[in-house]
Amino acid sequence: QSVLTQAPSASGTPGQRVTISCSGSSSNIGSNSVSWYQQLPGTAPKLLIYSSNQRPSGVPDRFSGSKSGTSASLAISGLQSEDEADYYCAAWDDSLRGPVFGGGTKLTVL
Amino acid sequence: EVQVVESGGGLVQPGGSLRLSCAVSGFTFNNYWMGWVRQAPGKGLEWVANIKQDGSEKYYVDSVKGRFTISRDNAKNSLYLQMNSLRAEDTAVYYCARVRRGPYYIDVWGKGTTVTVSS
Repeated sequence: QSVLTQAPSASGTPGQRVTISCSGSSSNIGSNSVSWYQQLPGTAPKLLIYSSNQRPSGVPDRFSGSKSGTSASLAISGLQSEDEADYYCAAWDDSLRGPVFGGGTKLTVL
Repeated sequence: EVQVVESGGGLVQPGGSLRLSCAVSGFTFNNYWMGWVRQAPGKGLEWVANIKQDGSEKYYVDSVKGRFTISRDNAKNSLYLQMNSLRAEDTAVYYCARVRRGPYYIDVWGKGTTVTVSS
């Protein structure tokens, strides 16, 4: 059981916009920023979003993040087949004094 | 090019020990927090441990406290994870990670090394 809650799966068609949500509590998302990671099949995770809405250099602007209260979202616009991957959210947890991850959302491009 | 490369994984019996290593290049190692994150087969990501730049602060997830020890050798640009009293539930791919604090995120990941605990 992960501390942060994500839907196990999501899907969309090429060109569509999809949103992946991450729900937490006051001790994690409510008081700290969120990061998002993309894990392509058989590979290591890759940083997509940090500080809730910042993209590292090299990440396409099709990917965007937002946070409100104790929830966060990752939006992917202009969906492409290569976006098919697992997506994880993470945040520092003040109570646990360590980072916590969501259980991951498997995105399928139909 | 920034690189982190893990080694030391393998098959070990329950109750056994293993030491993971992570060799770093392409950035100033002693400027960064470092950590380990693991992923059990078919499961999500789980933070294991973090260590401060000078090794003066170390933090662990509750499930490994007292069994795992994170350490670093800044002269060798290397990070380590000593794992003792291993259990079947420690079976996972272990990723070495460069950690950013304030705000927290991981901006560099290794390819991982696989640890299997089984008799």
